[in-house]
Amino acid sequence: GAVVSQHPSWVICKSGTSVKIECRSLDFQATTMFWYRQFPKQSLMLMATSNEGSKATYEQGVEKDKFLINHASLTLSTLTVTSAHPEDSSFYICSARDLGTGSNEQFFGPGTRLTVL
Amino acid sequence: DAKTTQPPSMDCAEGRAANLPCNHSTISGNEYVYWYRQIHSQGPQYIIHGLKNNETNEMASLIITEDRKSSTLILPHATLRDTAVYYCIVILTGGGNKLTFGTGTQLKVEL
Repeated sequence: GAVVSQHPSWVICKSGTSVKIECRSLDFQATTMFWYRQFPKQSLMLMATSNEGSKATYEQGVEKDKFLINHASLTLSTLTVTSAHPEDSSFYICSARDLGTGSNEQFFGPGTRLTVL
Repeated sequence: DAKTTQPPSMDCAEGRAANLPCNHSTISGNEYVYWYRQIHSQGPQYIIHGLKNNETNEMASLIITEDRKSSTLILPHATLRDTAVYYCIVILTGGGNKLTFGTGTQLKVEL
């Protein structure tokens, strides 16, 4: 089946630094990837939709200058958390939709746990 | 997209069928019902989806009522590894729409 990977699986950083998270579709091409954030005991909240070759679409309340998204190829999207602060500590999850189907089925990565000290 | 309502939690004995309900009374004719689950500290996993007919795959069965206002996900023989949060999501057809996760149902499978 379709596999999505994320790297790193966890990261600890100091406040004020930037962190990059990669999301890769391993065996399919994805024109669209999604980035979610999940705080403890809460549901997934969509942050942005990443489209290959164009600017990402951010959900209301998500700062585009803080959460930089780049989708440079059909298999890779990156999320950079700039000037991270402790309140950015969360579980970040990406998903990808298979280019070859018209389905809404999304394949999710395993997530990246970010802890900002 | 139509809003869904699920019970916050359910328990099930291992080996028994787990029946997870979902209400989507405002669903429209061109909206699918999708089910995902999330095991603790992992990314969500697709389970099954349907439009109006009942569906079955190797993981589960999906029963959609005739009026399409509710559905039930059935795990025929639940195991401890099925302990997870199960999300019922309604989404427009066409492959171009984003998933909106509600609070889901925490299923706990016990010995």
